[in-house]
Amino acid sequence: KAGVTQTPRYLIKTRGQQVTLSCSPISGHRSVSWYQQTPGQGLQFLFEYFSETQRNKGNFPGRFSGRQFSNSRSEMNVSTLELGDSALYLCASSSGTETQYFGPGTRLLVL
Amino acid sequence: EDKVVQSPLSLVVHEGDTVTLNCSYEVTNFRSLLWYKQEKKAPTFLFMLTSSGIEKKSGRLSSILDKKELFSILNITATQTGDSAVYLCAVEGRRSNTGKLIFGQGTTLQVKP
Repeated sequence: KAGVTQTPRYLIKTRGQQVTLSCSPISGHRSVSWYQQTPGQGLQFLFEYFSETQRNKGNFPGRFSGRQFSNSRSEMNVSTLELGDSALYLCASSSGTETQYFGPGTRLLVL
Repeated sequence: EDKVVQSPLSLVVHEGDTVTLNCSYEVTNFRSLLWYKQEKKAPTFLFMLTSSGIEKKSGRLSSILDKKELFSILNITATQTGDSAVYLCAVEGRRSNTGKLIFGQGTTLQVKP
């Protein structure tokens, strides 16, 4: 079985721009969770989608949004980028009842 | 507020040593505790613990959960340089929060030859 894939792997943007990250879960997994990892804050939960519905949301501003498609692929969007949004963005998939498996992440640098 | 605390934050040992990593937690309606290993990439799954007192083992790694005292330990015996990584502990809370993992700060382990 192929693992979780994320695109792009690296991204450089400037302040004020927006960005869309993509995540394809393991085949058969319907849950996709997104996390932000920074040296200062560690791994923090952004949101989780299950069967195209947002099931859980972390404490991030409304500039962070996401969606899930009928094939379980998910996208995350960050609008009006700030320097502090520079981070490794990880997505994780699960069947919904078992453990989460992480993708390789997208490293975003905001200049 | 749900919280996961790991200790120590960093550790340097020599090959062959045994290490114990700690994870304590406060979470509403505990569901599971997970250990991940992270090198310069995505966290890779090690263990999922849901019941107290049952040790899970995988090679030189083992882990156990104490739901009464709200902590878990991860043991690595006969450490190797390839064990150098950040070890992350995460907890999943009440059923309505399925899909949301709360992570600790991680323990950075360096194994010297």
